[in-house]
Amino acid sequence: GIQVEQSPPDLILQEGANSTLRCNFSDSVNNLQWFHQNPWGQLINLFYIPSGTKQNGRLSATTVATERYSLLYISSSQTTDSGVYFCAVGGRGSNYKLTFGKGTLLTVNP
Amino acid sequence: GAVVSQHPSRVICKSGTSVKIECRSLDFQATTMFWYRQFPKQSLMLMATSNEGSKATYEQGVEKDKFLINHASLTLSTLTVTSAHPEDSSFYICSMDRGLTEAFFGQGTRLTVV
Repeated sequence: GIQVEQSPPDLILQEGANSTLRCNFSDSVNNLQWFHQNPWGQLINLFYIPSGTKQNGRLSATTVATERYSLLYISSSQTTDSGVYFCAVGGRGSNYKLTFGKGTLLTVNP
Repeated sequence: GAVVSQHPSRVICKSGTSVKIECRSLDFQATTMFWYRQFPKQSLMLMATSNEGSKATYEQGVEKDKFLINHASLTLSTLTVTSAHPEDSSFYICSMDRGLTEAFFGQGTRLTVV
């Protein structure tokens, strides 16, 4: 099956700093999503981005499908950005059967 | 986004008992639903794919007799953890195939078996 690798595994920032999270995947995908898992465990959809670039406020994401990686950018980080960020991909034939990376644990200190 | 409701959000049960978790779509019909499990400080792993009106498909290493999945209608799938043991304590979360491009998840259920 598809392998998904996220880096870094842990990231500690001061409030206001910028960061880049990376997701590498091993095969062509039909679906790539970024999630933020809140302290209660719920997965918050950040981006659906199998290719291209999207922006939503302080967050943006870019996926270069031909090179099999995606980047999530967080600018002017806030303490509320803390949590685990997951990249998940869906291979050909099923957009919804997702394979998750191990996540990046982001801690933003005041 | 799609609304997927999962209940209960938290449950504590005694070892040997069974627990049922519901996953319900509130604003669309889903022919396919997915159940994931997440152990503490780990990633989410797909357990099974549930298709309305047919038997679920389980991933390798997931005991189908222990994790019973029923997809009785296009808006409801249930996961029953039978004869639960402490090692079944985990976070269980469902997602639904809405027929579009993006997957949406329920709120998740934190199961603790004592």
